[in-house]
Amino acid sequence: EDKVVQSPLSLVVHEGDTVTLNCSYEVTNFRSLLWYKQEKKAPTFLFMLTSSGIEKKSGRLSSILDKKELFSILNITATQTGDSAVYLCAVEAQGRADGLTFGKGTHLIIQP
Amino acid sequence: DAGITQSPRHKVTETGTPVTLRCHQTENHRYMYWYRQDPGHGLRLIHYSYGVKDTDKGEVSDGYSVSRSKTEDFLLTLESATSSQTSVYFCAIRATGTGELFFGEGSRLTVL
Repeated sequence: EDKVVQSPLSLVVHEGDTVTLNCSYEVTNFRSLLWYKQEKKAPTFLFMLTSSGIEKKSGRLSSILDKKELFSILNITATQTGDSAVYLCAVEAQGRADGLTFGKGTHLIIQP
Repeated sequence: DAGITQSPRHKVTETGTPVTLRCHQTENHRYMYWYRQDPGHGLRLIHYSYGVKDTDKGEVSDGYSVSRSKTEDFLLTLESATSSQTSVYFCAIRATGTGELFFGEGSRLTVL
C-alpha cells in the first residue's frame, strides 16, 4: 500500500520567514512526486519531480526530491500572507491508472 | 483553467436519500477520478475511470458507485447517504501519459 507522510501538519510563521515542508513516501514502482497548493477550494499544481527532474524552482518556491531516502521538501522563502494554504504532497506509481496517493497536507499560516 | 465542472457545488440532504454528483470535462481526457477530502485524512480516492464504461474502486469505495457513459461525464452516486459521507468531494482529470491531476472546484455535501 502506498504511503505519503507530510510534516509538520500545521505551521505558523511570520511574513518574511523561510519555511520548509517535508514529505516522505513509500510507493511501489515510483514514477513522480507532486506538490499542490490548496486555498479553500481546488488544489492547484505546483511542481512535479521525477527521476529526470529532482529539483524545481518557481519564484520563491523550490522543491527537491531525494529518491534514495524517499523524501521531498518544499521550500518557500520570504513568505507572504498569500502563501497561507494547505500544501499537499502526492506520489504517482508507474503503470497504474489509479491516480495519485496524497498525504494529509501541511496547513501553513503566514502571520503579518 | 482545466475545463472541469462539478455539480451541485453544495448540497444538504437527509440520511437514507440517494445523491448523485456530476463531474463534466471539456478536455477529452481519458482518466477521471473522485476523491473525498476530510479533516485529518487529506484526499482519499473513491473511484476512478480509465475510459467509457471502465471504472474501478479506490481506497474508500464502500457506499459509493460510479458511472461513465460518455467521455466527458463521470457520475458519483451515494445510493443511501449516511452522515459519515458528509465531506467535500473533488473530481479530477488526467491526460494520458502525464501524472498531473487537474481538480474541479469541489462539491460540499452535508448529510443530516
